[in-house]
Amino acid sequence: QKEVEQDPGPLSVPEGAIVSLNCTYSNSAFQYFMWYRQYSRKGPELLMYTYSSGNKEDGRFTAQVDKSSKYISLFIRDSQPSDSATYLCAIRRTGGFKTIFGAGTRLFVKA
Amino acid sequence: DAGVIQSPRHEVTEMGQEVTLRCKPISGHNSLFWYRQTMMRGLELLIYFNNNVPIDDSGMPEDRFSAKMPNASFSTLKIQPSEPRDSAVYFCAQDAGGGTEAFFGQGTRLTVV
Repeated sequence: QKEVEQDPGPLSVPEGAIVSLNCTYSNSAFQYFMWYRQYSRKGPELLMYTYSSGNKEDGRFTAQVDKSSKYISLFIRDSQPSDSATYLCAIRRTGGFKTIFGAGTRLFVKA
Repeated sequence: DAGVIQSPRHEVTEMGQEVTLRCKPISGHNSLFWYRQTMMRGLELLIYFNNNVPIDDSGMPEDRFSAKMPNASFSTLKIQPSEPRDSAVYFCAQDAGGGTEAFFGQGTRLTVV
């Protein structure tokens, strides 16, 4: 079993839709949860990170962690064509240096 | 600050040749990571440096791969000899200190024919 599972998509939505991206992980020792956005032929860029459980909001983006079910989510409100990219979830243990990345979900937002 | 700078952006080489990928990190950050990204395996950590010292190289696939960080402003990843299965995008990244790889370079797209 992979340590983090992510549906690769692709996910296609109309402009203005609410997008929900999800990952599951297998080990409760992970405490750092991150979301990265990667445009085609670019490096990943850190969108958001949370430590332990709960929600974190930044503009149109909300990251949510449910440690009881080992489920992490990224919600994008009022999605825009410029949000079209691959979104990677990532996890890391406290005190560790190794980040485990999900496979990435390709998102297309149609104008 | 221009961010993490990698060179070359693209490299096409013949099987058996030596390939050297370069990374100029952002000053003031102690960590440096080399990753490889492929469609099949996603983003994989190859090696991690802290204060220019290799801490974990367990992700380096074979002895054909080697990495150095002679000082805080330069790192190299070398493949010798290269093979077609080494074709991938190689990224250099740095930790911003919050427990995350906050800064990735633009990557080097390597094609071995």
